[in-house]
Amino acid sequence: KNEVEQSPQNLTAQEGEFITINCSYSVGISALHWLQQHPGGGIVSLFMLSSGKKKHGRLIATINIQEKHSSLHITASHPRDSAVYICAVRSYNTDKLIFGTGTRLQVFP
Amino acid sequence: SAVISQKPSRDICQRGTSLTIQCQVDSQVTMMFWYRQQPGQSLTLIATANQGSEATYESGFVIDKFPISRPNLTFSTLTVSNMSPEDSSIYLCSVEDHLAGVRGELFFGEGSRLTVL
Repeated sequence: KNEVEQSPQNLTAQEGEFITINCSYSVGISALHWLQQHPGGGIVSLFMLSSGKKKHGRLIATINIQEKHSSLHITASHPRDSAVYICAVRSYNTDKLIFGTGTRLQVFP
Repeated sequence: SAVISQKPSRDICQRGTSLTIQCQVDSQVTMMFWYRQQPGQSLTLIATANQGSEATYESGFVIDKFPISRPNLTFSTLTVSNMSPEDSSIYLCSVEDHLAGVRGELFFGEGSRLTVL
């Protein structure tokens, strides 16, 4: 079992839909990152969380440390949100990043 | 924050050849990280490039196959040597914010997509 699991692996949506991507992890962490990877391969950092909730525009990220779970929500989805969303955690013990395999999101007009 | 320029963005290479990827950061950073992302896989750390010392390689990666240079605090190169089709991947350069010793936000280059025939 991978230390970081994301679900779903693939997600399609109609423009305007509310989207949720989930991330579960099995190690103790000091921080969790949500990243967005564009089709060309470049990666952009969306959020870094250690507790609670953060919001940036239409994106909301939450984390529950006790349950070892985080969610990324996209409100009013748009075709430009189409990308791979990657969850990564920083291990408290090793201080190294562990990456999930990503969720591929396609939003259709 | 940091802006990272990485090149080439993509290349098609012949088996047995070597390719060097360049990574330029717009600010001075102590550590630069090189990742590999094989098709359909998650990111895997190849090595950490430290200015003024040898790179630190992760298990499964060796200097002969992935030599790294770090001539100053804003620049690094990764060479993929004697390439085989299994080396077809996206290679990414990354840096991290450090605030009072705490590792913070992540910054990545645009990635270099290599295809080895």
